[in-house]
Amino acid sequence: EDQVTQSPEALRLQEGESSSLNCSYTVSGLRGLFWYRQDPGKGPEFLFTLYSAGEEKEKERLKATLTKKESFLHITAPKPEDSATYLCAVQETSGSRLTFGEGTQLTVNP
Amino acid sequence: EAGVAQSPRYKIIEKRQSVAFWCNPISGHATLYWYQQILGQGPKLLIQFQNNGVVDDSQLPKDRFSAERLKGVDSTLKIQPAKLEDSAVYLCASSSGQNYGYTFGSGTRLTVV
Repeated sequence: EDQVTQSPEALRLQEGESSSLNCSYTVSGLRGLFWYRQDPGKGPEFLFTLYSAGEEKEKERLKATLTKKESFLHITAPKPEDSATYLCAVQETSGSRLTFGEGTQLTVNP
Repeated sequence: EAGVAQSPRYKIIEKRQSVAFWCNPISGHATLYWYQQILGQGPKLLIQFQNNGVVDDSQLPKDRFSAERLKGVDSTLKIQPAKLEDSAVYLCASSSGQNYGYTFGSGTRLTVV
């Protein structure tokens, strides 16, 4: 059974203070690892898909990286508008279901 | 392009009552998913449709939950009878293929009292 564990559960940063969120996973065969952002009262918003170890993707202040057992979401010089819950999910080669972690709630203070 | 539409946005019912949620996916998206997100947790897949056929309903509590997707477009998810533990946000998502990211709707927040 696929397992996805995200850490930390919650992270509080000052504006401009860079940090990383972790997503460790267990899956029999990885088709893709997905990162989503979720704001309160809204559905998850797609950020990135990573397909193979060593792959990196960037979007504004966010950079996602992938190894064979975990993924990191690096946030460089965050702003208050980056405050949200960040969800990681894995997709197996055998299907299209996404298995999500519990998320990391990020708060960036001005 | 228009997003995934869901209604209602909020619903409060008493336990043992029934409730239905509606989803209209992005036009042309063949795959539709219903996820349940309990407060403080990640979304969990309930059912996946490919056009109007069920692909994966292994985590759907079939004694009380049912879903259909008529004509391969809109979908409804029903709970009958509801239990307190069904309180959650019900998210609908669609995709154009298994190699593409999902687009989620804003969800329906269900409270069972």
